[in-house]
Amino acid sequence: NAGVTQTPKFQVLKTGQSMTLQCAQDMNHNSMYWYRQDPGMGLRLIYYSASEGTTDKGEVPNGYNVSRLNKREFSLRLESAAPSQTSVYFCASSAFGGSTEAFFGQGTRLTVV
Amino acid sequence: RKEVEQDPGPFNVPEGATVAFNCTYSNSASQSFFWYRQDCRKEPKLLMSVYSSGNEDGRFTAQLNRASQYISLLIRDSKLSDSATYLCVVTPNDYKLSFGAGTTVTVRA
Repeated sequence: NAGVTQTPKFQVLKTGQSMTLQCAQDMNHNSMYWYRQDPGMGLRLIYYSASEGTTDKGEVPNGYNVSRLNKREFSLRLESAAPSQTSVYFCASSAFGGSTEAFFGQGTRLTVV
Repeated sequence: RKEVEQDPGPFNVPEGATVAFNCTYSNSASQSFFWYRQDCRKEPKLLMSVYSSGNEDGRFTAQLNRASQYISLLIRDSKLSDSATYLCVVTPNDYKLSFGAGTTVTVRA
């Protein structure tokens, strides 16, 4: 009964380092999302994947890349981390896009120093 | 203009009180609307969908006003366990989910 699993849960990076956040869902969902959440800003969409094989930019894609590896997995990569990318990152999935319930992972708390 | 705007609150209410708050959205073509709940430092979870005719789930009532482009959430007989941040979610296209910044509700004993 895992749902959406994100790894890692916590990470500290130095400016300029790269890392990949992993996300996997076991609900056979078509759509997957990456959000970041900052105090007072709510959740902002970074990238989404409507279905396997497609990805699209959200509101704040700069500095990030994504890969929809297969139907289950959707990864987020920071190529050169910056302090402005310090945030909580949530992965989510839904059966069919925005008309169905989205299920979230537990989040990754990333600090860039 | 932000796609979804919410009154951040906080709404500080006693147990048993009724609390209501709204959210406005900018894209008139939006088709789906939801309220999610987020507890401190946890992931958001669906509270309820919002339908054109309005809908109720126990102590929670959601309304949609397409003409004025807002949705509302009303909580009756507030419980301590209702303390959380309530996120308004709108779907401006088939796949994208846009979140408001959230309304914080604190229910005190």
